[in-house]
Amino acid sequence: GIQVEQSPPDLILQEGANSTLRCNFSDSVNNLQWFHQNPWGQLINLFYIPSGTKQNGRLSATTVATERYSLLYISSSQTTDSGVYFCAVGGYQLIWGAGTKLIIKP
Amino acid sequence: EPEVTQTPSHQVTQMGQEVILRCVPISNHLYFYWYRQILGQKVEFLVSFYNNEISEKSEIFDDQFSVERPDGSNFTLKIRSTKLEDSAMYFCASSFFGGQPQHFGDGTRLSIL
Repeated sequence: GIQVEQSPPDLILQEGANSTLRCNFSDSVNNLQWFHQNPWGQLINLFYIPSGTKQNGRLSATTVATERYSLLYISSSQTTDSGVYFCAVGGYQLIWGAGTKLIIKP
Repeated sequence: EPEVTQTPSHQVTQMGQEVILRCVPISNHLYFYWYRQILGQKVEFLVSFYNNEISEKSEIFDDQFSVERPDGSNFTLKIRSTKLEDSAMYFCASSFFGGQPQHFGDGTRLSIL
């Protein structure tokens, strides 16, 4: 089956810093989504991005499907950005990475 | 914006009891899913459902589990004879079609005592 690896596993930054989270996957996919899991456990859908580049405010994402990776960029981090960021890939079912735990310190 | 709703938000059940988790997918979506997340771990796929039948299921989804769309709006996950290791957050999701973005509910936290 498809393997999904996320890096780094943990990231601690000061408020205002920028960060790049990476997702590598082992096979071609029709679906790639980035999620933010907040401290209450809710999964917030950030991007649906099987290929190309998208931006939403301070967040942007790029997927290079031919090289099987995706990057999530967070600029000017805020404490509310803290949480776990998951990459999930697949076709009809989503296979999830282990996540990147992001802590933003004030 | 339409959303997926799940009830209850938290369910506490004695080991060995049956539990039913409920979901209302987005109304024009055709594919429905259940995922689970054991505390501190990654999210895992359980089952997908289309056209009133299971389309895919994982090894986790054994005979203990079943899904049903009892009417035009609800989608349920039943766990028979619950075990301690069934304690997890269960997420329902829906998509218009396979391969399209999946929209997730807020989850049901299931605690087995």
